[in-house]
Amino acid sequence: GQQLNQSPQSMFIQEGEDVSMNCTSSSIFNTWLWYKQDPGEGPVLLIALYKAGELTSNGRLTAQFGITRKDSFLNISASIPSDVGIYFCAGQLNSGYSTLTFGKGTMLLVSP
Amino acid sequence: DAGVIQSPRHEVTEMGQEVTLRCKPISGHNSLFWYRQTMMRGLELLIYFNNNVPIDDSGMPEDRFSAKMPNASFSTLKIQPSEPRDSAVYFCASSPRGGAGQPQHFGDGTRLSIL
Repeated sequence: GQQLNQSPQSMFIQEGEDVSMNCTSSSIFNTWLWYKQDPGEGPVLLIALYKAGELTSNGRLTAQFGITRKDSFLNISASIPSDVGIYFCAGQLNSGYSTLTFGKGTMLLVSP
Repeated sequence: DAGVIQSPRHEVTEMGQEVTLRCKPISGHNSLFWYRQTMMRGLELLIYFNNNVPIDDSGMPEDRFSAKMPNASFSTLKIQPSEPRDSAVYFCASSPRGGAGQPQHFGDGTRLSIL
């Protein structure tokens, strides 16, 4: 089956630093999604990408859909303490009833 | 707007007991998904419904797990009998329609502990 490799597994950074995380897949996806999960809550959608090569921003967050359709990255600029959480990538095929395949997540810790 | 609503938020019970988790999807969403999250295995899809019909239940671990969606605004996930290895956070998610690049919106989960 499809697998997503998400890296790094965890990051510990200083407030104000930029952060980059990525996902790679053994097969192609037609949609890439990035979610953030805060402790005790469900994942919340941050950015959705629908076209290969697409670069999309949401405030301090920027994500790109890789040209090969097998990878995606998420950048966070000027990190702040509330960026702390677990970030998940998810890939989706657009054929019929297609489901999400999730990465294992990147835990981000930000030191004030 | 109300998001996906799950209940209970926490459940602690002894092994062998029946457990029922509940979910109310976002109004107007046609697809509903049940996930299980553990440290070891991450987020795993258990089953999903489209227009109240189960489409794929291949992720359901074994016959002790069952899910129903009697109408568009309610779904249950039942474990009977429960075992300690079922301890996890169970999430429900909904989307406007299945597949086709429709992002899923998650509830806050039910944290299940089986003693």
